[in-house]
Amino acid sequence: DTGVSQNPRHKITKRGQNVTFRCDPISEHNRLYWYRQTLGQGPEFLTYFQNEAQLEKSRLLSDRFSAERPKGSFSTLEIQRTEQGDSAMYLCASSYTRGLTYGYTFGSGTRLTVV
Amino acid sequence: DAKTTQPNSMESNEEEPVHLPCNHSTISGTDYIHWYRQLPSQGPEYVIHGLTSNVNNRMASLAIAEDRKSSTLILHRATLRDAAVYYCILRQTAQGGSEKLVFGKGTKLTVNP
Repeated sequence: DTGVSQNPRHKITKRGQNVTFRCDPISEHNRLYWYRQTLGQGPEFLTYFQNEAQLEKSRLLSDRFSAERPKGSFSTLEIQRTEQGDSAMYLCASSYTRGLTYGYTFGSGTRLTVV
Repeated sequence: DAKTTQPNSMESNEEEPVHLPCNHSTISGTDYIHWYRQLPSQGPEYVIHGLTSNVNNRMASLAIAEDRKSSTLILHRATLRDAAVYYCILRQTAQGGSEKLVFGKGTKLTVNP
């Protein structure tokens, strides 16, 4: 297992376009999280899934944002009608609900630039 | 969400110990104390966590105050690769708690050669 994989690593898009990011978690992990991070700030929670169920969404997740995790495996985060304020690093993480460690494993992120 | 307070930045010299403090005066009895670090251009990396007792692993040690209102992450011998932002986070595990990690701004550690 190579850890949490995120694609693409970088995305440049024009304002108003839709973008979709993919996250492949560690295969045994049943929880998957999305975070957003802007320069100089810590990651901000967006949403998380346990298996295929989306259990919590942040107020930061406006109606332009949608996340899915079909079949409880990979997840996608879509942003519709992108705005310049959406420019950020989007991080995905996965974890066990219970287990030997409660630690999250993060991917390297997708850096979005909206021009 | 319970909050933590950390210094914005700290400096250390290579091969010297580093003590990174964290205050969490509003911690509840079921909150775990987690530490993550983030190297430049990477996602955060799990370092260590604990509840009441001090903890050691291959990366670091975690010293937890008896009243649990503060903790200290200890890097025994800092290397240049330890230069990162270190986040101290309280993870709720009480029933009904969301268990999500809530990050603050962390402490930026600079390691001088």
